[in-house]
Amino acid sequence: SAVISQKPSRDICQRGTSLTIQCQVDSQVTMMFWYRQQPGQSLTLIATANQGSEATYESGFVIDKFPISRPNLTFSTLTVSNMSPEDSSIYLCSVSTDTYGYTFGSGTRLTVV
Amino acid sequence: AQSVTQLGSHVSVSEGALVLLRCNYSSSVPPYLFWYVQYPNQGLQLLLKYTSAATLVKGINGFEAEFKKSETSFHLTKPSAHMSDAAEYFCAVSTGGQAGTALIFGKGTTLSVSS
Repeated sequence: SAVISQKPSRDICQRGTSLTIQCQVDSQVTMMFWYRQQPGQSLTLIATANQGSEATYESGFVIDKFPISRPNLTFSTLTVSNMSPEDSSIYLCSVSTDTYGYTFGSGTRLTVV
Repeated sequence: AQSVTQLGSHVSVSEGALVLLRCNYSSSVPPYLFWYVQYPNQGLQLLLKYTSAATLVKGINGFEAEFKKSETSFHLTKPSAHMSDAAEYFCAVSTGGQAGTALIFGKGTTLSVSS
């Protein structure tokens, strides 16, 4: 299975600023997935990122707030823009390297003050 | 579109008792189903997955789950609970990573184990 390096592992940010989260995979993958886990909640899919095309966002998530970059088959970034305290969550990236397997990054714990 | 429903946001059992965590799925195509566990302040750990090879799936830590198409269910069980099983459990569905579909998670069930 793939190994994902996700950075930063945690950050405390001022409201109104932006944070970019990076995910590096040790193998080429077609799709990368970004999730949000709000405190005490389940994982919610933000978007699916395919290399070479715009990300596909789930209902309730918009590109202006969560722009995603996917410059190649091993790397992606998620930016949380114009942050508010409600954006305090754990953000995770995930990939699938075969039909049945999914690998998750270790997550970015974001606190907005 | 796929979805999963986890019945019961909180389940409490005594140590040594049967653990039963319920998950029902909705999918227009044959699904792949997963159970994950998350301990406090830790990442997700895969317990087991159903990939159509066998309807009864055995996972780690003594957990197992049975895929029942007629009931659209994939309930997680463990014959005897241990204190270390206390955690958050998530059921998830996919139509296959190679198809470019992400895992869709249920809302989770908190398992408490008392001595």
